[in-house]
Amino acid sequence: DAKTTQPNSMESNEEEPVHLPCNHSTISGTDYIHWYRQLPSQGPEYVIHGLTSNVNNRMASLAIAEDRKSSTLILHRATLRDAAVYYCILRDPGNQFYFGTGTSLTVIP
Amino acid sequence: DAGVTQSPTHLIKTRGQHVTLRCSPISGHKSVSWYQQVLGQGPQFIFQYYEKEERGRGNFPDRFSARQFPNYSSELNVNALLLGDSALYLCASSRTSGGFSYEQYFGPGTRLTVT
Repeated sequence: DAKTTQPNSMESNEEEPVHLPCNHSTISGTDYIHWYRQLPSQGPEYVIHGLTSNVNNRMASLAIAEDRKSSTLILHRATLRDAAVYYCILRDPGNQFYFGTGTSLTVIP
Repeated sequence: DAGVTQSPTHLIKTRGQHVTLRCSPISGHKSVSWYQQVLGQGPQFIFQYYEKEERGRGNFPDRFSARQFPNYSSELNVNALLLGDSALYLCASSRTSGGFSYEQYFGPGTRLTVT
Protein backbone atom coordinates (compact mmCIF):
# COMPACT_ATOMS: atom_id res chain seq x y z
CA ASP A 1 0.00 0.00 0.00
CA ALA A 2 1.40 3.38 -1.03
CA LYS A 3 0.96 5.56 2.04
CA THR A 4 3.18 8.43 0.94
CA THR A 5 3.83 10.09 -2.41
CA GLN A 6 7.03 11.96 -3.21
CA PRO A 7 8.62 13.33 -6.40
CA ASN A 8 11.14 10.90 -7.83
CA SER A 9 13.94 13.44 -8.00
CA MET A 10 14.85 17.02 -7.21
CA GLU A 11 17.85 19.25 -7.72
CA SER A 12 19.22 22.06 -5.62
CA ASN A 13 22.18 24.38 -5.81
CA GLU A 14 24.70 24.14 -3.03
CA GLU A 15 24.07 26.45 -0.05
CA GLU A 16 20.48 27.12 -1.11
CA PRO A 17 17.40 25.91 0.81
CA VAL A 18 15.64 22.76 -0.35
CA HIS A 19 11.97 21.95 0.17
CA LEU A 20 11.14 18.27 -0.23
CA PRO A 21 7.37 17.66 -0.41
CA CYS A 22 5.42 14.60 0.66
CA ASN A 23 1.73 13.75 0.34
CA HIS A 24 0.09 11.36 2.81
CA SER A 25 -3.60 11.88 2.26
CA THR A 26 -4.62 8.64 4.04
CA ILE A 27 -2.77 9.44 7.25
CA SER A 28 -4.55 8.49 10.46
CA GLY A 29 -4.65 10.55 13.63
CA THR A 30 -2.02 8.41 15.35
CA ASP A 31 0.49 8.10 12.52
CA TYR A 32 3.77 9.89 13.06
CA ILE A 33 5.56 11.40 10.06
CA HIS A 34 9.20 10.43 9.85
CA TRP A 35 11.88 11.43 7.38
CA TYR A 36 14.93 9.34 6.72
CA ARG A 37 17.66 9.68 4.13
CA GLN A 38 19.85 7.06 2.54
CA LEU A 39 23.27 7.79 1.16
CA PRO A 40 24.71 5.43 -1.45
CA SER A 41 25.74 2.05 -0.04
CA GLN A 42 24.48 2.88 3.45
CA GLY A 43 21.44 2.11 5.54
CA PRO A 44 18.82 4.82 6.03
CA GLU A 45 19.59 7.59 8.52
CA TYR A 46 17.04 9.33 10.73
CA VAL A 47 16.45 12.99 9.87
CA ILE A 48 13.39 14.23 11.75
CA HIS A 49 9.88 13.27 12.83
CA GLY A 50 6.68 14.95 13.95
CA LEU A 51 3.00 14.46 14.65
CA THR A 52 1.13 17.74 14.27
CA SER A 53 3.39 20.67 14.97
CA ASN A 54 6.32 21.90 12.93
CA VAL A 55 9.64 20.57 14.18
CA ASN A 56 13.23 21.77 13.99
CA ASN A 57 16.49 20.01 14.70
CA ARG A 58 20.12 20.48 13.77
CA MET A 59 19.67 18.69 10.46
CA ALA A 60 16.40 20.04 9.11
CA SER A 61 12.92 21.42 9.69
CA LEU A 62 9.64 19.62 9.19
CA ALA A 63 6.57 21.60 8.21
CA ILE A 64 3.29 19.69 8.62
CA ALA A 65 0.09 20.88 6.97
CA GLU A 66 -2.79 21.72 9.27
CA ASP A 67 -4.85 18.78 7.92
CA ARG A 68 -1.73 16.55 8.14
CA LYS A 69 -2.25 15.31 4.61
CA SER A 70 1.10 16.66 3.48
CA SER A 71 4.43 17.68 4.90
CA THR A 72 7.64 19.32 3.72
CA LEU A 73 11.20 18.60 4.76
CA ILE A 74 13.31 21.72 4.67
CA LEU A 75 17.08 21.65 4.41
CA HIS A 76 18.11 25.21 5.13
CA ARG A 77 21.42 25.19 3.26
CA ALA A 78 22.08 22.21 1.01
CA THR A 79 25.60 20.82 0.97
CA LEU A 80 27.10 18.19 -1.28
CA ARG A 81 26.86 15.75 1.63
CA ASP A 82 23.08 16.14 1.59
CA ALA A 83 22.85 14.34 -1.76
CA ALA A 84 20.81 11.25 -0.93
CA VAL A 85 17.44 9.57 -1.31
CA TYR A 86 14.99 11.13 1.14
CA TYR A 87 12.12 9.01 2.39
CA CYS A 88 8.92 10.33 3.89
CA ILE A 89 7.48 7.60 6.11
CA LEU A 90 4.38 7.04 8.16
CA ARG A 91 4.79 5.08 11.34
CA ASP A 92 1.58 3.47 12.55
CA PRO A 93 0.63 2.45 16.09
CA GLY A 94 1.77 -1.08 15.23
CA ASN A 95 5.23 0.38 14.90
CA GLN A 96 5.52 -0.43 11.23
CA PHE A 97 7.38 1.95 8.99
CA TYR A 98 6.00 2.33 5.46
CA PHE A 99 8.71 3.57 3.12
CA GLY A 100 7.82 4.88 -0.31
CA THR A 101 10.21 5.14 -3.22
CA GLY A 102 11.69 8.40 -1.94
CA THR A 103 13.07 11.52 -3.59
CA SER A 104 16.58 11.43 -4.98
CA LEU A 105 18.17 14.80 -4.19
CA THR A 106 21.01 16.05 -6.36
CA VAL A 107 23.04 18.99 -5.03
CA ILE A 108 24.76 21.03 -7.69
CA PRO A 109 28.04 22.70 -6.70
CA ASP B 1 29.24 3.49 20.99
CA ALA B 2 29.05 0.94 18.19
CA GLY B 3 26.16 1.24 15.80
CA VAL B 4 23.97 -1.54 14.49
CA THR B 5 26.09 -4.32 13.07
CA GLN B 6 25.05 -6.94 10.53
CA SER B 7 26.72 -10.06 9.24
CA PRO B 8 27.66 -11.12 6.72
CA THR B 9 28.04 -8.04 4.52
CA HIS B 10 27.62 -10.00 1.31
CA LEU B 11 26.24 -13.43 0.57
CA ILE B 12 25.66 -15.50 -2.55
CA LYS B 13 23.24 -18.42 -2.46
CA THR B 14 21.53 -20.62 -5.02
CA ARG B 15 17.81 -21.11 -5.46
CA GLY B 16 16.24 -23.45 -2.94
CA GLN B 17 18.90 -22.90 -0.28
CA HIS B 18 18.42 -21.47 3.18
CA VAL B 19 20.06 -18.33 4.56
CA THR B 20 20.52 -16.83 8.03
CA LEU B 21 21.30 -13.16 8.49
CA ARG B 22 22.41 -11.71 11.81
CA CYS B 23 22.01 -8.37 13.50
CA SER B 24 23.35 -6.83 16.71
CA PRO B 25 21.47 -3.75 17.92
CA ILE B 26 22.92 -0.70 19.57
CA SER B 27 23.62 -1.30 23.25
CA GLY B 28 20.50 -0.55 25.27
CA HIS B 29 18.13 -0.95 22.34
CA LYS B 30 15.56 -3.67 22.87
CA SER B 31 13.72 -3.54 19.56
CA VAL B 32 14.96 -4.90 16.23
CA SER B 33 13.25 -4.59 12.86
CA TRP B 34 14.10 -6.20 9.54
CA TYR B 35 13.61 -4.69 6.09
CA GLN B 36 14.11 -5.87 2.53
CA GLN B 37 15.31 -3.33 -0.01
CA VAL B 38 15.20 -4.33 -3.64
CA LEU B 39 17.38 -2.26 -5.97
CA GLY B 40 15.73 1.04 -6.83
CA GLN B 41 13.00 0.78 -4.21
CA GLY B 42 12.51 1.85 -0.65
CA PRO B 43 12.90 -0.61 2.23
CA GLN B 44 9.94 -2.93 2.86
CA PHE B 45 9.11 -3.92 6.43
CA ILE B 46 9.47 -7.64 7.21
CA PHE B 47 9.44 -8.08 11.00
CA GLN B 48 9.74 -6.24 14.25
CA TYR B 49 10.81 -7.87 17.53
CA TYR B 50 10.76 -6.43 21.01
CA GLU B 51 11.83 -8.27 24.15
CA LYS B 52 12.08 -11.48 22.11
CA GLU B 53 8.49 -11.29 20.95
CA GLU B 54 7.24 -10.58 17.45
CA ARG B 55 5.46 -7.23 17.48
CA GLY B 56 4.89 -6.70 13.77
CA ARG B 57 4.97 -8.60 10.50
CA GLY B 58 4.93 -7.25 6.98
CA ASN B 59 3.46 -8.85 3.88
CA PHE B 60 6.09 -11.55 3.36
CA PRO B 61 5.61 -15.31 2.86
CA ASP B 62 6.14 -17.86 5.61
CA ARG B 63 9.54 -18.68 4.12
CA PHE B 64 10.71 -15.64 6.07
CA SER B 65 11.11 -16.04 9.82
CA ALA B 66 13.05 -14.32 12.56
CA ARG B 67 13.84 -14.46 16.21
CA GLN B 68 15.39 -12.31 18.90
CA PHE B 69 17.77 -13.57 21.55
CA PRO B 70 18.08 -12.63 25.24
CA ASN B 71 20.91 -10.23 24.39
CA TYR B 72 18.51 -8.54 21.89
CA SER B 73 20.47 -9.64 18.83
CA SER B 74 18.36 -11.08 16.05
CA GLU B 75 18.41 -13.51 13.17
CA LEU B 76 16.44 -13.40 9.94
CA ASN B 77 15.96 -16.75 8.23
CA VAL B 78 14.80 -17.27 4.67
CA ASN B 79 14.01 -20.77 3.39
CA ALA B 80 13.68 -22.06 -0.17
CA LEU B 81 15.36 -19.02 -1.67
CA LEU B 82 13.98 -17.55 -4.87
CA LEU B 83 15.70 -15.27 -7.35
CA GLY B 84 13.36 -12.50 -6.19
CA ASP B 85 14.81 -12.67 -2.70
CA SER B 86 17.95 -10.98 -3.98
CA ALA B 87 18.08 -7.70 -2.11
CA LEU B 88 19.73 -5.65 0.58
CA TYR B 89 18.47 -6.79 3.98
CA LEU B 90 18.52 -4.06 6.58
CA CYS B 91 18.31 -4.34 10.32
CA ALA B 92 17.26 -1.42 12.49
CA SER B 93 17.21 -1.04 16.24
CA SER B 94 15.34 1.33 18.50
CA ARG B 95 14.96 1.89 22.22
CA THR B 96 11.39 0.67 22.49
CA SER B 97 8.74 -0.83 20.30
CA GLY B 98 6.15 1.67 21.27
CA GLY B 99 6.07 5.32 22.06
CA PHE B 100 5.64 5.85 18.30
CA SER B 101 8.20 8.57 18.21
CA TYR B 102 11.48 6.78 18.71
CA GLU B 103 13.70 6.79 15.67
CA GLN B 104 15.28 3.68 14.27
CA TYR B 105 18.99 3.24 13.68
CA PHE B 106 19.86 1.20 10.62
CA GLY B 107 22.79 -1.07 10.03
CA PRO B 108 24.71 -1.15 6.73
CA GLY B 109 22.78 -4.17 5.52
CA THR B 110 23.53 -7.60 4.10
CA ARG B 111 23.57 -7.86 0.32
CA LEU B 112 22.02 -11.21 -0.64
CA THR B 113 22.35 -12.48 -4.18
CA VAL B 114 20.40 -15.57 -5.21
CA THR B 115 21.55 -17.30 -8.40
